Amino acid sequence: SAVISQKPSRDICQRGTSLTIQCQVDSQVTMMFWYRQQPGQSLTLIATANQGSEATYESGFVIDKFPISRPNLTFSTLTVSNMSPEDSSIYLCSVEPRMRETQYFGPGTRLLVL
Amino acid sequence: DAKTTQPPSMDCAEGRAANLPCNHSTISGNEYVYWYRQIHSQGPQYIIHGLKNNETNEMASLIITEDRKSSTLILPHATLRDTAVYYCIPGGRDDKIIFGKGTRLHILP
Repeated sequence: SAVISQKPSRDICQRGTSLTIQCQVDSQVTMMFWYRQQPGQSLTLIATANQGSEATYESGFVIDKFPISRPNLTFSTLTVSNMSPEDSSIYLCSVEPRMRETQYFGPGTRLLVL
Repeated sequence: DAKTTQPPSMDCAEGRAANLPCNHSTISGNEYVYWYRQIHSQGPQYIIHGLKNNETNEMASLIITEDRKSSTLILPHATLRDTAVYYCIPGGRDDKIIFGKGTRLHILP
């Protein structure tokens, strides 16, 4: 298994600002992913964070709005840029320790945009 | 990706077995069936997965029909802590996890 921490755990932000969310894993992992969970909804995959190269975004998500970094095998960041109230969600990091293993999820970051 | 159909909600009495069905009639031959759950205010938690054979672990049992078009997750002795949203997710072993709406399971005291 993998132990995942996210910072911040929650935040309240003003529209037009940006927030960077950190995801730290206690061991090196192959794959890292970022999800969004809007209020009352299921999880939606935003992107796959690739180490050493640009993230792979799902349909409907773009790099300018959600830039992602993954400098090494244990850490990734997701930035929510130029925020609006519609960005109020829980943002979750998940990891797949080795290829073809199950995924483990972080506790999430609760974001409220005013 | 195979589509799934799960009941939106279910109730189960504490101490009884909870049986959660999932239809995945378009599943392909090499796709596994994964089950995750999300307890309120937490990230999703892996439960179990299987390909063809029934599987059991310390959390649950997974029964997959012979034609693989449906499966049932069984929590043998449900407790209040099992109240959560349960997701049935077909996928390859190296696929992204795509969540559907899941089943909201209420364990009743």
